[in-house]
Formats: sequence, C-alpha cells, structure tokens
Amino acid sequence: GENVEQHPSTLSVQEGDSAVIKCTYSDSASNYFPWYKQELGKGPQLIIDIRSNVGEKKDQRIAVTLNKTAKHFSLHITETQPEDSAVYFCAAGAPNFGNEKLTFGTGTRLTIIP
Amino acid sequence: DVKVTQSSRYLVKRTGEKVFLECVQDMDHENMFWYRQDPGLGLRLIYFSYDVKMKEKGDIPEGYSVSREKKERFSLILESASTNQTSMYLCASSGTGSSHEQYFGPGTRLTVT
Repeated sequence: GENVEQHPSTLSVQEGDSAVIKCTYSDSASNYFPWYKQELGKGPQLIIDIRSNVGEKKDQRIAVTLNKTAKHFSLHITETQPEDSAVYFCAAGAPNFGNEKLTFGTGTRLTIIP
Repeated sequence: DVKVTQSSRYLVKRTGEKVFLECVQDMDHENMFWYRQDPGLGLRLIYFSYDVKMKEKGDIPEGYSVSREKKERFSLILESASTNQTSMYLCASSGTGSSHEQYFGPGTRLTVT
C-alpha cells in the first residue's frame, strides 16, 4: 500500500518568513495530493490540493509543488502570520481509480513566532 | 456548509467495555471514514464506507468494527475496549464529484482505563 513520509515534524519560523513542509510517497498510482490544516481542538480542514497533471498550484500565500518523477510534493507558506500556527498534514490518494481512500503523513506542527 | 458531527468530544470507558462512536454528516456524502490520530503517527485509517451497508478495512482495522445502516450515519464500534485504543478518533465524509475533499468532524477523545 501507499506510504507517505512527512518532514519536519516540528517547524518554527519568524512571522513574515516562509515555511516549507515536504512529503514523499511510494505508490506511483497516487495522483491526488491534498494538504490539511488542523487547528487546536478542531478536525483537519483542506487548504490546498494538487493533481498529478499539474506541477504547481498557488492560492494566495500558499503553494504546493509536485515532482512525480521523484515522488515528492511540498507545501510552501509565504509571509507567515500567527494564524498559520497549526498542525499540517499531507496526504496521497488515487480517487480516479474509484477509491477515495487517502494515506496521510505524520504531520508537521508549525509555530509562527511573533 | 458541510457539517460532520460526532456524538461526544470526550469519552472515558473501562477496559472490556463495548464502545460506540457515532458520526453524522448532513451533505448526502457517499463516502465516510474513521481515523485515529496519535502523536507522531498522524491520521491512520481504521475503516471506510462508500455506500450504505458497505465497508472496507483501512490500515488498522484490528479491534474495531463499523456499521452504516443509513447514508448519513457511520458508527465505529470497539467490541472490547483496551488501553491501547486510547486515542483521538476522527470521522470524515466526502462526495463522489470532482472534489475529493474530506470533511472532518471535531473528533472524540477516548480514554480507556
């Protein structure tokens, strides 16, 4: 089955700086790569996703890049703000094959230092 | 807005008890999922269901069972709770359209003593 590795497990950055979280996956059949943000006391919430036919996707201060050859994808947050402090999870799946199952990474706790 | 609700935020049970965790979604989603979340291990899939009365094992199904009698409700059952099942349990749902987003409930913190 799919195996997703996520690094780092914790990350602290100064407010205004950029943060990068990296994930690798093992199954070449995976073609859908979402990122979820989990705030304290809440369930994870989708913030951005990318499909295998796209190399990069941006949404305001958030961007995700995908390298299918190397089987890795990354989340980039620019101009970080205190509200970006949360736990972030990457995931991989193959929903086009009729299976909505996702395999999640182990999470990154991001702390923004004011 | 999609809403996924879980029956309890906090639950304390004794070893050997039968435990029911309930999840309800209001968006007519076909797919529902149960995960457990443990520090350093991320979200691990226990079971999922893609239709009423249908279920599939996830990555860690041992010690758990599920029930989906109605489309909006997905129950996780611990037949005989053990201390190693102390964890945060998260329910999620998703539709079958072009969006594959999973919508999560707030979680149930289960402690087995």
